[in-house]
Amino acid sequence: QVQLVQSGAEVKKPGASVKVSCKASGYTFTSYGISWVRQAPGQGLEWMGWISAYNGNTNYAQKLQGRVTMTTDTSTSTAYMELRSLRSDDTAVYYCARECRSGAFDIWGQGTMVTVSS
Amino acid sequence: DIQMTQSPSSLSASVGDRVTITCRASQSISSYLNWYQQKPGKAPKLLIYAASSLQSGVPSRFSGSGSGTDFTLTISSLQPEDFATYYCQQSYSKFFGGGTKVEIK
Repeated sequence: QVQLVQSGAEVKKPGASVKVSCKASGYTFTSYGISWVRQAPGQGLEWMGWISAYNGNTNYAQKLQGRVTMTTDTSTSTAYMELRSLRSDDTAVYYCARECRSGAFDIWGQGTMVTVSS
Repeated sequence: DIQMTQSPSSLSASVGDRVTITCRASQSISSYLNWYQQKPGKAPKLLIYAASSLQSGVPSRFSGSGSGTDFTLTISSLQPEDFATYYCQQSYSKFFGGGTKVEIK
């Protein structure tokens, strides 16, 4: 079946970097884009950015420009999100999601908890 | 950036009630509006896309309407499994609304 499976929970110190993976299966990876969305504890959903799995084009939320990089590896149908210079307010569950033609996110990963703490 | 404002932020309702949640965009987004349901500890689930199209597998008691700046998600008869938080999202800049938590009265 169509699914996105993310890497496991991470604990990082302030100033460090984290890289979360999102492995796709059950569909043609290069036919869809992948967006990343995060959710701080008890808070709403925040869109972080998007990457085309077809050509690698990216579009990042202005708030995260310069700290986030999204990449894909088409040989393994995997998307990656790296966030640098981590701060305590980056503590959140990070989701990857497949973006369909309508612009909606129809398939979601299970989420990866990233905790930033000294 | 286009901002999305949802109301109410929370509501209490009983099983069988008709529930309406609204979402307003800061400028016209045509019909580029999606609705999601999220239960605690779970990833969001797409319910409605393009303002009024029901995602495959979603019960028909869920419906969406609106265009331009004002949109509505309606649950025609609230079921026990519908108690959750609902988010709208516009497809231009991908921003989400603040969410509406639907609780049991």
